[in-house]
Amino acid sequence: QQQVKQSPQSLIVQKGGIPIINCAYENTAFDYFPWYQQFPGKGPALLIAIRPDVSEKKEGRFTISFNKSAKQFSLHIMDSQPGDSATYFCAAGSSGAGSYQLTFGKGTKLSVIP
Amino acid sequence: SQTIHQWPATLVQPVGSPLSLECTVEGTSNPNLYWYRQAAGRGLQLLFYSVGIGQISSEVPQNLSASRPQDRQFILSSKKLLLSDSGFYLCACTLRDFITDTQYFGPGTRLTVL
Repeated sequence: QQQVKQSPQSLIVQKGGIPIINCAYENTAFDYFPWYQQFPGKGPALLIAIRPDVSEKKEGRFTISFNKSAKQFSLHIMDSQPGDSATYFCAAGSSGAGSYQLTFGKGTKLSVIP
Repeated sequence: SQTIHQWPATLVQPVGSPLSLECTVEGTSNPNLYWYRQAAGRGLQLLFYSVGIGQISSEVPQNLSASRPQDRQFILSSKKLLLSDSGFYLCACTLRDFITDTQYFGPGTRLTVL
C-alpha cells in the first residue's frame, strides 16, 4: 500500500519533444507529490511538487498533472532539451510519527537527443 | 536557505571494515533528517530518519546504524561492512514551508565495498 509505481523505466525523446512520466499510488493518505531530478553522481534536486487540491501545476517547462480519483500523477516536460537528460523520481508523502516521509518511485532515465 | 554537507564524497572500504559517514546541515534549526541508500541504477531506499537529537527510527533492519549527536549532525555507521553495503548514500532534511514539508538532499557519498 505504500508503493509508488513509476513508468517508464527509461525514455528517449528528441530535442523539442514532450516526455511524459507517469506515477500511480495506492495509499489515499498521501497528500504531497514531489518530483525530483537527479544527474549522475549528484543528489536528487526538487523539481516541482503538487498537493491533491489542484489538478495541475506548471513551473517553467515542467508541468505536473494530478488525477485524484485515479490516484495517478504525471510529469510533462515541454520543449525538452539535452540538458534535461537525467533520472526523474516521483514521490508521495504523508505525515507520520512527526516525520514527513516520502515514498519514491523507482525512477525514469530520460535521454533527450539533439 | 539550507545547505547539506556530506563527508566524504567517495569512499572505498574492504569488507569487514567499519564505516562512518557524516551529514551536517546549515541554515536551519531542528530539521528532520534522513539517510537514504541508492543502489546503482535503482531507486531510493529510506534507511533511517530522525526528528530530534538522539531520536532515530530505522526503516530497514541491517548492519547499519545511525546517530544524531547534535541538532544538525547525522551520522551513519557500521561496525563491519558487507559487499551489499555498496551504494550511493544520501542525507536529506525536511524544512517546513508554508504548504508542507519539503525534503532536500545532500550531494551524496559514493561507497564501494571490496
